[in-house]
Amino acid sequence: EVQLVESGGGLVQPGGSLRLSCAASGFTFSSYEMNWVRQAPGKGLEWVSYISSSGSTIYYADSVKGRFTISRDNAKNSLYLQMNSLRAEDTAVYYCARDIRKVRGVIIGSSFDYWGQGTLVTVSS
Amino acid sequence: DIQMTQSPSSLSASVGDRVTITCRASQSISSYLNWYQQKPGKAPKLLIYAASSLQSGVPSRFSGSGSGTDFTLTISSLQPEDFATYYCQQSYSPVVTFGGGTKVEIK
Repeated sequence: EVQLVESGGGLVQPGGSLRLSCAASGFTFSSYEMNWVRQAPGKGLEWVSYISSSGSTIYYADSVKGRFTISRDNAKNSLYLQMNSLRAEDTAVYYCARDIRKVRGVIIGSSFDYWGQGTLVTVSS
Repeated sequence: DIQMTQSPSSLSASVGDRVTITCRASQSISSYLNWYQQKPGKAPKLLIYAASSLQSGVPSRFSGSGSGTDFTLTISSLQPEDFATYYCQQSYSPVVTFGGGTKVEIK
């Protein structure tokens, strides 16, 4: 069974840092691209970042570029999000999501077939 | 970035109703369009990928159509478990964007 379990969320002051982790199991983690997606309280979904299966290709949303860093450790089946210079507007539930960019050999682009349960990050003084 | 606009933002419907949700992209995205369902306090669930392909395990009352800039998600006969918020998402660009969501409520 595919499982994604996020951790590391919590309360942090503006300007502070936090590192989120996502532990993957039930599939060959090193074969899949991964993403972080967030959802502010009562709001819609916002994609945050993407990392390729090897870690060689990375993309960020403009809203987090220069402040957040995505990384992965395929030996540990883990995905990370280092968040620095946090702002109130970063307050959200953060989800890790598995990316299926190809189905039966057909490229479909970033599509998220499994999600974790989410971890809440609150930025407040 | 590609902007995704969903309409309506909310709707009220009864069990058994046919429901249609629309998603429009700010530029052509071919068929690189996905639909998700999200229930309160839960992670989103992939329903439809590549505009019209049903994700494994999703009931056949859900269907998707469209290409280019205009897309629709249709629920042929609304069931009690379908009351949720639905999001479209473009997968054309490496910078992924979601629509604002459509909340389907009980009439």
